[in-house]
Amino acid sequence: DAMVIQNPRYQVTQFGKPVTLSCSQTLNHNVMYWYQQKSSQAPKLLFHYYDKDFNNEADTPDNFQSRRPNTSFCFLDIRSPGLGDAAMYLCATSALTSGRINEQFFGPGTRLTVL
Amino acid sequence: AQSVTQLDSQVPVFEEAPVELRCNYSSSVSVYLFWYVQYPNQGLQLLLKYLSGSTLVKGINGFEAEFNKSQTSFHLRKPSVHISDTAEYFCAVSRFSSGTYKYIFGTGTRLKVLA
Repeated sequence: DAMVIQNPRYQVTQFGKPVTLSCSQTLNHNVMYWYQQKSSQAPKLLFHYYDKDFNNEADTPDNFQSRRPNTSFCFLDIRSPGLGDAAMYLCATSALTSGRINEQFFGPGTRLTVL
Repeated sequence: AQSVTQLDSQVPVFEEAPVELRCNYSSSVSVYLFWYVQYPNQGLQLLLKYLSGSTLVKGINGFEAEFNKSQTSFHLRKPSVHISDTAEYFCAVSRFSSGTYKYIFGTGTRLKVLA
């Protein structure tokens, strides 16, 4: 089945130690999104890629970076995690086609713990 | 600016009873509306969507929603809930920005189905 895969599902890191979360998709969608979701809150968009074009949300901290080496993979890098970065990180994809809106497909998420 | 309001943060309901989860939006342009469900430690799963056409939208797991333009609402309903429907439900409106469609999520409604 076509899907969005996130690895690992659970990640523990230490305060200030860089961490990378990964997302892959078999849907061949041209748009990939990264969200941060804190407990009992709605997902908050961090950034997205449309093909290779990167778009950062205005309020996304510089501590968060992303890479998309090809259509299938997208990475979220947190350069110096703080305690406040502990959250669920969700990857989503969608197919942007001319004149048509399509829904986003979400991965299962990676729960990040910062010690 | 577009926004989404989910007035009920928690909704307890007995098994086999009907339920309605409320969602109101504000938008000055055409709206595209979505309902997602999130089970604990999982990603978001699409329940249903309204893009155009019939205002009554049927989704998965027996859920349906009605788009009401005059009341700017998109309430989610199910005539008979099951224990397995216990989850967080998010309403979202989609807007075109920075070359793609982005979601604005409501704050979520936690549905608790009681035996």
